[in-house]
Amino acid sequence: DIVMTQSPDSLAVSLGERATINCKSSQSVLYTSNNKNYLAWYQQKPGQPPKLLIYWASTRESGVPDRFSGSGSGTDFTLTVSSLQAEDVAVYYCQQYYDTPGFGPGTKVDIK
Amino acid sequence: EVQLVESGGGLVQPGGSLRLSCAASGIIFSNSDMNWVLQAPGEGPECVSGVSWNGSRTHSADSVMGQFIISRDNSRNTLYLHMNSLRAEDTAIYYCAKGGDDGQNYFNYWGQGTLVTVSS
Repeated sequence: DIVMTQSPDSLAVSLGERATINCKSSQSVLYTSNNKNYLAWYQQKPGQPPKLLIYWASTRESGVPDRFSGSGSGTDFTLTVSSLQAEDVAVYYCQQYYDTPGFGPGTKVDIK
Repeated sequence: EVQLVESGGGLVQPGGSLRLSCAASGIIFSNSDMNWVLQAPGEGPECVSGVSWNGSRTHSADSVMGQFIISRDNSRNTLYLHMNSLRAEDTAIYYCAKGGDDGQNYFNYWGQGTLVTVSS
């Protein structure tokens, strides 16, 4: 099974500043035949289900603000919130779908 | 508007069984791969089972293989999860989640979840 890890466990960022979350997979999730990374990012607020933000490592889901962006390839990925807003306080999860779907442990984002 | 509405959760004793249901609307259910994702208290999500649009293919996490069975009724736009031999560690919120429109196993729509509590 592919194991997903995330760093940091939590971070606090000032409003308007950049937040960066890292995700690492135990093996590559890049499918070489189509050059696609099978990696998604979700946001979860308290009492709500996760919400899809990014898929194919960098494709933003419809309706997701463009301050959210995904990057990376192979085993190392990053979710960036370019200018943190109050409504972005949440836990963020990465998920690989290269194999049986598996999620990372989450990164909690708060306002400093 | 897409709606996925789970039901069937509740308090069950260890060793008991439950059947969860997920009623879908606002999507072409018969064209959609569907999944059950659980989230234990304070933990991250875990995909426990999925089924292809026509029911021909299923997958289950090793942790629930032979214990949970996923099924669907496209005539009723409903997804099911049959849960047997329940243990305390199965306590979680169970979400119904739709697979990506391109047939991939990321989840673009989620229900609000149904809570399953296994306790004596």
